[in-house]
Amino acid sequence: ETGVTQTPRHLVMGMTNKKSLKCEQHLGHNAMYWYKQSAKKPLELMFVYNFKEQTENNSVPSRFSPECPNSSHLFLHLHTLQPEDSALYLCASSQGLAETFVTDTQYFGPGTRLTVL
Amino acid sequence: DQQVKQNSPSLSVQEGRISILNCDYTNSMFDYFLWYKKYPAEGPTFLISISSIKDKNEDGRFTVFLNKSAKHLSLHIVPSQPGDSAVYFCAASADTDKLIFGTGTRLQVFP
Repeated sequence: ETGVTQTPRHLVMGMTNKKSLKCEQHLGHNAMYWYKQSAKKPLELMFVYNFKEQTENNSVPSRFSPECPNSSHLFLHLHTLQPEDSALYLCASSQGLAETFVTDTQYFGPGTRLTVL
Repeated sequence: DQQVKQNSPSLSVQEGRISILNCDYTNSMFDYFLWYKKYPAEGPTFLISISSIKDKNEDGRFTVFLNKSAKHLSLHIVPSQPGDSAVYFCAASADTDKLIFGTGTRLQVFP
């Protein structure tokens, strides 16, 4: 596997379900990101981790819970979601070494298409 | 309020011609701009960037122009190829703050 991988690629869940999205990067990067892309809306940054520490939580509802056990893996735990949470969830990674790491080139995974019924 | 705007949701260009994708921003503190390209079922891939100290950056067929006074940047693709058909996102950041993305423009290059 190379680059940034995400599983599952598609997920359909009910509002009472609990599920997790997984992201893995094979680039030796130290920063990882979760983005949400809703139809006809800009990519929205949700969370940023740098060296496993969360450095950004962009006012995301608590029904989304990120986890970063190491620099290569990032999870997004989902619980009691709403239909409006249906979107494409993209993971990205970057070098993450300097203070300006958020402007480093980010490498994106293919995304998980989430549908909440 | 969208700080980065791509007002054209789609653009259709003939192969061999120039494609011009536009992006406007409202935050005068933005000092770094990027373009990403996204194919269906794939994540965005970095294309080209420009910092506010420059007004042009070129990489092969791709050139990004920055007009700071107009708060406008554009991506020129010359010559356009069918493989360039994708959604193009511009993104901007201020100092070390997070990237803000536009809504994207779908480019279709036809033979």
